Amino acid sequence: AQSVTQLDSQVPVFEEAPVELRCNYSSSVSVYLFWYVQYPNQGLQLLLKYLSGSTLVESINGFEAEFNKSQTSFHLRKPSVHISDTAEYFCAVSDKGQGAQKLVFGQGTRLTINP
Amino acid sequence: DAGVTQSPTHLIKTRGQQVTLRCSPKSGHDTVSWYQQALGQGPQFIFQYYEEEERQRGNFPDRFSGHQFPNYSSELNVNALLLGDSALYLCASSTGTSVFRAEQYFGPGTRLTVT
Repeated sequence: AQSVTQLDSQVPVFEEAPVELRCNYSSSVSVYLFWYVQYPNQGLQLLLKYLSGSTLVESINGFEAEFNKSQTSFHLRKPSVHISDTAEYFCAVSDKGQGAQKLVFGQGTRLTINP
Repeated sequence: DAGVTQSPTHLIKTRGQQVTLRCSPKSGHDTVSWYQQALGQGPQFIFQYYEEEERQRGNFPDRFSGHQFPNYSSELNVNALLLGDSALYLCASSTGTSVFRAEQYFGPGTRLTVT
């Protein structure tokens, strides 16, 4: 079984400041890793994913995440945030060994951007 | 493209009643997964349907059942509702069952309140 821990339930930052949202996972097998974003009153949207290859993955809107196998982490970072980044962010894993059919989510981190 | 649609948007039921939630997948998608998101928590996988069969199931009691129709739309049924069933129910659709091969697109959810 897998589990995901997002270490911060809420992260307030000022606009144009850098941010890091932390995610650690536990699994006895290899996993795929994902970050999803949920804007108010909208469905979850895939932000980025790590499947294999380079451990640093980037999204089109400036976020990046690095897979660290030894620390079982997949932290999300952005060097300069905007008001529009205000949302809830979910880290998720999927077990490679069971056909990768389901996502196991963390509890979420609410990112609040202050002007 | 309408994306993933869910109905109804909100629903209020009484303990012991039964409820049916509906999901229409994104055009071209043949797989539907259902998740339960309790307030302040991340989504939890309920089950996945492909080719009108339940392919994988999460840790939910038999009170939770589903169906997939030939047009790939799906229903989630919950019997003998409990207060703890109050949550946002999310539907996700994809092409094929593996999150590795195809992105899961989420609907906006149905908010179920059990009183």
